[in-house]
Amino acid sequence: DAKTTQPNSMESNEEEPVHLPCNHSTISGTDYIHWYRQLPSQGPEYVIHGLTSNVNNRMASLAIAEDRKSSTLILHRATLRDAAVYYCILRPSGTYKYIFGTGTRLKVLA
Amino acid sequence: GAGVSQSPSNKVTEKGKDVELRCDPISGHTALYWYRQSLGQGLEFLIYFQGNSAPDKSGLPSDRFSAERTGGSVSTLTIQRTQQEDSAVYLCASSQTGLPLYGYTFGSGTRLTVV
Repeated sequence: DAKTTQPNSMESNEEEPVHLPCNHSTISGTDYIHWYRQLPSQGPEYVIHGLTSNVNNRMASLAIAEDRKSSTLILHRATLRDAAVYYCILRPSGTYKYIFGTGTRLKVLA
Repeated sequence: GAGVSQSPSNKVTEKGKDVELRCDPISGHTALYWYRQSLGQGLEFLIYFQGNSAPDKSGLPSDRFSAERTGGSVSTLTIQRTQQEDSAVYLCASSQTGLPLYGYTFGSGTRLTVV
């Protein structure tokens, strides 16, 4: 299974944009890029996913590099409630399992 | 229900005892998953149920672990003769289909502590 690499931790100021990077240099053509986040004492929560094109939804935007070897999750205005561990996961098309890494712990400063 | 419900939320048990963890998926969701999260680690896949198909048990760490899903709804994860290394948060998730485009919905988990 292709792996992802994320920084262990990041900090952001409240109401500023946050760019969370993810490297996935061994991604295959059928791997979808999924992002989840896990708030304290909760299960992970789906954020966004994409295959080749950039994606936007009410929670975030996903920017995918042209060669698909990296992607960036963008929170447009961080709030204190966005403090969480963010997981970047590759999920091959036609499979149901996620292989979670240790993610990026985002700290939002007031 | 509105979300995935897990019970109990916390469980402390003595080494060697059996425990049962329960998961109530979202109504109508045909797929159900169990994951385990040890302290400071990512999530580890345990088992997957989809409709009436045979479950994928490939992630169960030992034969002390078993799970069932009755009537296509509620699931129970059983750990026999618990060991200290079984201490973790056990997370259940469900999805409308077995290949969910928009991912799963997770419950808040059961924190199991084996003393």
